[in-house]
Amino acid sequence: NAGVTQTPKFRVLKTGQSMTLLCAQDMNHEYMYWYRQDPGMGLRLIHYSVGEGTTAKGEVPDGYNVSRLKKQNFLLGLESAAPSQTSVYFCASSLTDRRIQPQHFGDGTRLSIL
Amino acid sequence: SQQGEEDPQALSIQEGENATMNCSYKTSINNLQWYRQNSGRGLVHLILIRSNEREKHSGRLRVTLDTSKKSSSLLITASRAADTASYFCATLYNNNDMRFGAGTRLTVKP
Repeated sequence: NAGVTQTPKFRVLKTGQSMTLLCAQDMNHEYMYWYRQDPGMGLRLIHYSVGEGTTAKGEVPDGYNVSRLKKQNFLLGLESAAPSQTSVYFCASSLTDRRIQPQHFGDGTRLSIL
Repeated sequence: SQQGEEDPQALSIQEGENATMNCSYKTSINNLQWYRQNSGRGLVHLILIRSNEREKHSGRLRVTLDTSKKSSSLLITASRAADTASYFCATLYNNNDMRFGAGTRLTVKP
């Protein structure tokens, strides 16, 4: 089983550029999440989805947009990248709510904004 | 803002020794989860302990929860080099908000 797959694994952008991070899961999970991980801080939730066609804001949503057109895919977009968005981005999924069910994580996308 | 904070920030031990990591939190919780992260990889779920539970085991892992002290500990017995990783606690409070701590970086020397 592939589990949760993130693409790309690495990316360097210039300030103001846009890009989309892709997340795919093959476990038929309802819930999907996007986090960012910064040095010295815990994972912070950006956006999440409780099912196909639904999205909701997390702890740090500003500057990001998401879409979940298909149950297995969750896309994270940066419309105009800023240096403050340099981070490692993780996608995760869970069968039901992450608050009571284990999350399964991808291996991350390392994003640098110059 | 972080709810759970792990202690110590870094821990280095010899293979075969036990490793203990702690997580303290500020407000009452509903449950607490522990995750492991190997370098360059995503997080892997280890154990979930509910607020009405005091101890849970999984293989060489033992998690305790002391709600009166607002703290949890993760014990890894007979550590192996493969246990080298960062360990995070995630706390659920107000039955709604879930927050991760900054982690403990464990190094197990062969």
